Amino acid sequence: GQNIDQPTEMTATEGAIVQINCTYQTSGFNGLFWYQQHAGEAPTFLSYNVLDGLEEKGRFSSFLSRSKGYSYLLLKELQMKDSASYLCAPMDSNYQLIWGAGTKLIIKP
Amino acid sequence: GAVVSQHPSRVICKSGTSVKIECRSLDFQATTMFWYRQFPKQSLMLMATSNEGSKATYEQGVEKDKFLINHASLTLSTLTVTSAHPEDSSFYICSASAGTSLETQYFGPGTRLLVL
Repeated sequence: GQNIDQPTEMTATEGAIVQINCTYQTSGFNGLFWYQQHAGEAPTFLSYNVLDGLEEKGRFSSFLSRSKGYSYLLLKELQMKDSASYLCAPMDSNYQLIWGAGTKLIIKP
Repeated sequence: GAVVSQHPSRVICKSGTSVKIECRSLDFQATTMFWYRQFPKQSLMLMATSNEGSKATYEQGVEKDKFLINHASLTLSTLTVTSAHPEDSSFYICSASAGTSLETQYFGPGTRLLVL
């Protein structure tokens, strides 16, 4: 079957760094997306990895290891507005995104 | 760029009525549009995938006669919830992608449906 494993909830301090891990199993693989979803809102696109390695985009970076079925999202210089759910969504061989429940990130002052 | 709008943002209706939700890509042509449903604290559930000018592909367990999808143009898709019931109350979100299957999906703001 297809599944995604992310921590349900994480807490971090404003200004700090946090890494959200994601392991996945899919039927085929066509890359992995990270989305941010604030409570009551729709997801917004953060990053896409299809090759192994680190992709950096401002305060956010995303890493992929295809052989390990593993990805992480790294958030630096955390701000209160970063409090949200972070969704790891791999794309399977049918080009469908596989969604988990995401990781709820709580930022404390 | 890559803005997707949805209308209405919130709707309350009586049981048995039908509700239409519009999804528009504002600054790009959406070859493919996706309709999702999300219950509180749960993951996104894909309901159907639609390509412009063709019939939508529904996920297993989604009734095509209840959730009517029309993708009449490259910038507009509609979802009609027919004969809505309280269990249809949910957050409905559309997304759109511009080109190949590997294109990023950009999400609309979602429509919160409450059926009384």
